[in-house]
Amino acid sequence: DAKTTQPPSMDCAEGRAANLPCNHSTISGNEYVYWYRQIHSQGPQYIIHGLKNNETNEMASLIITEDRKSSTLILPHATLRDTAVYYCIVSLNTGTASKLTFGTGTRLQVTL
Amino acid sequence: GAVVSQHPSRVICKSGTSVKIECRSLDFQATTMFWYRQFPKQSLMLMATSNEGSKATYEQGVEKDKFLINHASLTLSTLTVTSAHPEDSSFYICSAPRTRANYGYTFGSGTRLTVV
Repeated sequence: DAKTTQPPSMDCAEGRAANLPCNHSTISGNEYVYWYRQIHSQGPQYIIHGLKNNETNEMASLIITEDRKSSTLILPHATLRDTAVYYCIVSLNTGTASKLTFGTGTRLQVTL
Repeated sequence: GAVVSQHPSRVICKSGTSVKIECRSLDFQATTMFWYRQFPKQSLMLMATSNEGSKATYEQGVEKDKFLINHASLTLSTLTVTSAHPEDSSFYICSAPRTRANYGYTFGSGTRLTVV
C-alpha cells in the first residue's frame, strides 16, 4: 500500500471549514484514498473515500488532485465534536483481501 | 448498517491470566476481521487478519501463540490474549470490510486492556 504524509496537527475555529491535506505521491492507479477519524478512546470512523473524482457526503468533501498525488478532506463547518485524529489511507479496494495501514494522522483541534 | 460490536470495552486483569475480546458483526457477515493494537499517542498497528473457517494470518513480530484468534462463524471473531503481562496493556480494535463494495471498513469501539 502507498504511504501517506499528513501534518501532525491542525487547529480550526468552530464554524469554519477545516481543510486537512494528505500527500500520497506513490499511489498506484487502482488504489483508493480513504479518510477515517478517531475520537479519543473510540474505534475509527469511516468518513469518505474516492478514486479519482471529488466526492461529497453528509460528513465531508474529498478533493483529489488530477495527478492523484495528494488530496484534501474538507469539513465545511467544523464543530467541537469534530476534534479527533484524522487518518488518510490509500488502499486497494479488493474487499476482504485489503488491509488498512494507518499512518500517524492529523490531530485536529476545533476551538471556540 | 455494517455495525461491529466489540466487547468488553474495558477490562483489567492480573498478570498471567488470559483475556478474551469478542467482535460481532451485527447486520452483515464478516468473512474477514482485522485486529489492531494501539498504544497511547500512537497509531493503530495491524496485528492479524482472521478469516472465517481458516487460520489467522499474523503480522511480523506478533506472537501467534500469545494472541489467539478464532473466527468460527461469519458473525464472530475473538482475540484471546494469553498469559497477559503489563506490556500487553493497550487498546485493541477489530475491523471488518463493509459488505457493500467501495464502502471501506467498519470498526469496533475498541477494548482497553490493562494488565496489573
